[in-house]
Amino acid sequence: QQPVQSPQAVILREGEDAVINCSSSKALYSVHWYRQKHGEAPVFLMILLKGGEQKGHDKISASFNEKKQQSSLYLTASQLSYSGTYFCGTDRYSGGGADGLTFGKGTHLIIQP
Amino acid sequence: DGGITQSPKYLFRKEGQNVTLSCEQNLNHDAMYWYRQDPGQGLRLIYYSQIVNDFQKGDIAEGYSVSREKKESFPLTVTSAQKNPTAFYLCDSSGGHNSYDEQYFGPGTRLTVT
Repeated sequence: QQPVQSPQAVILREGEDAVINCSSSKALYSVHWYRQKHGEAPVFLMILLKGGEQKGHDKISASFNEKKQQSSLYLTASQLSYSGTYFCGTDRYSGGGADGLTFGKGTHLIIQP
Repeated sequence: DGGITQSPKYLFRKEGQNVTLSCEQNLNHDAMYWYRQDPGQGLRLIYYSQIVNDFQKGDIAEGYSVSREKKESFPLTVTSAQKNPTAFYLCDSSGGHNSYDEQYFGPGTRLTVT
C-alpha cells in the first residue's frame, strides 16, 4: 500500500513557500521524508513519529496527523538548493519495526530564480 | 569517515548474465536494505537484513538474491530470472531495530542490461 503524494509537481519562485502532502490508507507509526537530486541517492530530511516526536532538518518542518494518516512537509522561503524530488516513506508494517519503507512516487519541486 | 559505499556506480551487462552489486557500510549498523528505483518512480524494497546471517524478502524479491555473512556487507545478485533488471539500485542501512531510526542511502548503482 504505497502512500500517495500530492502535488505531483510544483514550480516556485525563490523565496516562496511550498507544502507537500503524503497520505496513507493504513495506520502509520512513522513517516520519513527524503529529497533526491537528479542522478543522486535520496538524502534524509526528517522522520516524524506517532506521538509527535520529530527528528531531522532544522530549516524544514513537517506535521504528522495520525488520525488522518497524513503527513505534510513545509518548505518556507524556498532556496534554489531545495529543487529536487521529494519522497515520503512509510512503515511497511504498522508495528514500527525495521522492516523497510514503502515510498510514494515523489513530488517534483522546481525553484526558479 | 563513516558511510555506505556501493560499487560500481555504473554497470552494464548482457541479458542472461547474473550480476552482483556491492554494498558496504562502516557505520556499525545492524539493518541493511536494498531498494530499486525506476524512472519517475519511488523506491521499492527488494530485500532487507536486520542481523547477520538473516534476511527477508521485500516487496519485489523475485529474480534477486542476497547474503549477509558480515555485518558490514550486504551484496545483491541480480539473476537472469529478473525480467526487467535495468534500474537504479540503492542500498541503505539503519542503526536500530525500529522504523523511526534514520536511514542512510549509499550513492547507488545504475545497472543497464541489454
